[in-house]
Amino acid sequence: GQNIDQPTEMTATEGAIVQINCTYQTSGFNGLFWYQQHAGEAPTFLSYNVLDGLEEKGRFSSFLSRSKGYSYLLLKELQMKDSASYLCAVMDSNYQLIWGAGTKLIIKP
Amino acid sequence: GAVVSQHPSWVICKSGTSVKIECRSLDFQATTMFWYRQFPKQSLMLMATSNEGSKATYEQGVEKDKFLINHASLTLSTLTVTSAHPEDSSFYICSAKTSGRATDTQYFGPGTRLTVL
Repeated sequence: GQNIDQPTEMTATEGAIVQINCTYQTSGFNGLFWYQQHAGEAPTFLSYNVLDGLEEKGRFSSFLSRSKGYSYLLLKELQMKDSASYLCAVMDSNYQLIWGAGTKLIIKP
Repeated sequence: GAVVSQHPSWVICKSGTSVKIECRSLDFQATTMFWYRQFPKQSLMLMATSNEGSKATYEQGVEKDKFLINHASLTLSTLTVTSAHPEDSSFYICSAKTSGRATDTQYFGPGTRLTVL
C-alpha cells in the first residue's frame, strides 16, 4: 500500500530552527509537496521537490532523497505565525497526490 | 499568483436539505479541479477529480449521487451535497491546477465549513 509518515506534533521555540521529516512509500514518484495549513484554513503551497537535494526559499527549505524515500522541511528563525500543521504529499505514478496526516508545529515564545 | 475562491465559507443547514459549494479560479483557467474533505485533526481526503466539460472521477467510497460535481467552465466547479446528514458535516476544500501538466502545483481555495443539524 501507499504510505506517508510524518510526526504528529512538534514543539519549538521562537527564533529557533525546526526540521519536520517525512518518509514515504508510494507506487511511483512524481514529486513531493509541502503545504502549510493554519487551523480552520485551507492548505497553502510551500515547496515542490522532484530531484534530490535541497531547495531553499527564504526561511523555509525542503530536502529530498528519492533513494531513501525521505524528505524534510526546515524552518529557520521561527516566528509565532509559523504555528500550523505542515502537510507532506507525494504524487504517485498516476499523478495522484497521496497526503500525510500532517505535523502540528507548536511555537513557544 | 494563482487564487482560488470558495463560496460560501460557512454553511449551516438542516438534515435532508441540499447544499451547493462553488469553487472559482480567479486569475487562471483550471482544466482540473479537485474536491477534498477534511475531518478534524485528519488529513485531506480526496473526494473527486473534476475536469472541465467531462464527468468527475470519484474516489472509492464516495457516492457520486450524493456528491454532485459540475465543472461547466474553466473557472468554475460546483459541489452539491444532496440530502445532507449530520455525518456530512466537514471542511470541504477545492483546489485547482494552473495548467494541464500533471505535476503542477495545486492551489487551494479557503474551504467551506459545512454543519448539518
